[in-house]
Amino acid sequence: GENVEQHPSTLSVQEGDSAVIKCTYSDSASNYFPWYKQELGKGPQLIIDIRSNVGEKKDQRIAVTLNKTAKHFSLHITETQPEDSAVYFCAASSGGSSNTGKLIFGQGTTLQVKP
Amino acid sequence: DGGITQSPKYLFRKEGQNVTLSCEQNLNHDAMYWYRQDPGQGLRLIYYSQIVNDFQKGDIAEGYSVSREKKESFPLTVTSAQKNPTAFYLCASSMAGTGNTIYFGEGSWLTVV
Repeated sequence: GENVEQHPSTLSVQEGDSAVIKCTYSDSASNYFPWYKQELGKGPQLIIDIRSNVGEKKDQRIAVTLNKTAKHFSLHITETQPEDSAVYFCAASSGGSSNTGKLIFGQGTTLQVKP
Repeated sequence: DGGITQSPKYLFRKEGQNVTLSCEQNLNHDAMYWYRQDPGQGLRLIYYSQIVNDFQKGDIAEGYSVSREKKESFPLTVTSAQKNPTAFYLCASSMAGTGNTIYFGEGSWLTVV
């Protein structure tokens, strides 16, 4: 079935360093790849997304890259700050002919930024 | 304010009871979703609805039921048939179709006592 694998499960960096989280997906029909940030006890919030017709997208300190041939995409956070500490989820749209908004989520990465 | 409102935030259920989680959105979105999140794990889709009076099962629908009588509302009932209901439940909504941003509510914690 459709699957999204996310690595690493935990990531600890020093403030100011970069953080990279990687995801692979199995459904070749997936064409939409959002990233969410979730703080403890709250709902996930979209931080950046990318569509299959684009290889890279950047928004200030956050960037996402997509390799459709290899079926993987990555989140890059530069100049990390303590407030970046949270759980990050990648997701891929569910393909098929149903044209729904279904997403398949990765298992999440707990990012800790040490001051 | 525009957004998705889930209630209650915390809910305790005795074994054998059905409970209903409320989800209301004022974003004028056609599609709504329910996800379940277990500690340290990702989100798994329970049910989704693309239009009023229609809904489909997700990956873990057993023991749950939904209704979509109004565009703004998508309540989730956790029935006694759900053997392990303790989890964090997230409601979400989006415009219809693929590639549209999915917005989440703040979640509801359900604990079986």
